[in-house]
Amino acid sequence: AQSVSQHNHHVILSEAASLELGCNYSYGGTVNLFWYVQYPGQHLQLLLKYFSGDPLVKGIKGFEAEFIKSKFSFNLRKPSVQWSDTAEYFCAVNVALGTGGFKTIFGAGTRLFVKA
Amino acid sequence: KAGVTQTPRYLIKTRGQQVTLSCSPISGHRSVSWYQQTPGQGLQFLFEYFSETQRNKGNFPGRFSGRQFSNSRSEMNVSTLELGDSALYLCASSAGQKYNSPLHFGNGTRLTVT
Repeated sequence: AQSVSQHNHHVILSEAASLELGCNYSYGGTVNLFWYVQYPGQHLQLLLKYFSGDPLVKGIKGFEAEFIKSKFSFNLRKPSVQWSDTAEYFCAVNVALGTGGFKTIFGAGTRLFVKA
Repeated sequence: KAGVTQTPRYLIKTRGQQVTLSCSPISGHRSVSWYQQTPGQGLQFLFEYFSETQRNKGNFPGRFSGRQFSNSRSEMNVSTLELGDSALYLCASSAGQKYNSPLHFGNGTRLTVT
């Protein structure tokens, strides 16, 4: 069965520290990969996405992610976090279904708290 | 462009009752998906609709159902509510049929079953 694993459930960092959140997926077909973010009190929103091409993708607010096909991984990175990055981060994969359309499978989420 | 709108924001129901949640997608979006979010299970896929047809369904009991109208608005219904149905229910719309379409989420409906 398809699944998405996020390595850390809770991460606490100080401002200016570097961030890397791990994400591995389990699916043998073509994937489209996403990171979504949920800031406190706000709805889930897209941070970045990978469909094809350059495996290093850049998103909003200085975030980037690298797709490593051989490792089934799509890790999220940011060189220097800010207090405003405090949020919950979800890795997700879109899986095409034979019935047409797709479903999105989410990881369990990682809660990031950045200390000012 | 207005975002995805879900109503109501909060609901309190009693075990055994039924509930209907509503979702209005972003204008022009034809695909609507529903998710259940709980602290223990994370985001679980319920179903996806496209052009009034349910294309995909997750692993939820038949008490969970939905529909989509011709204007792409969608409703989700849960019958015979159980305590374990307490959760945040999220609706998301996407622009196209293709599976590289990202999801645009609403703020959710917080359902509490007592």
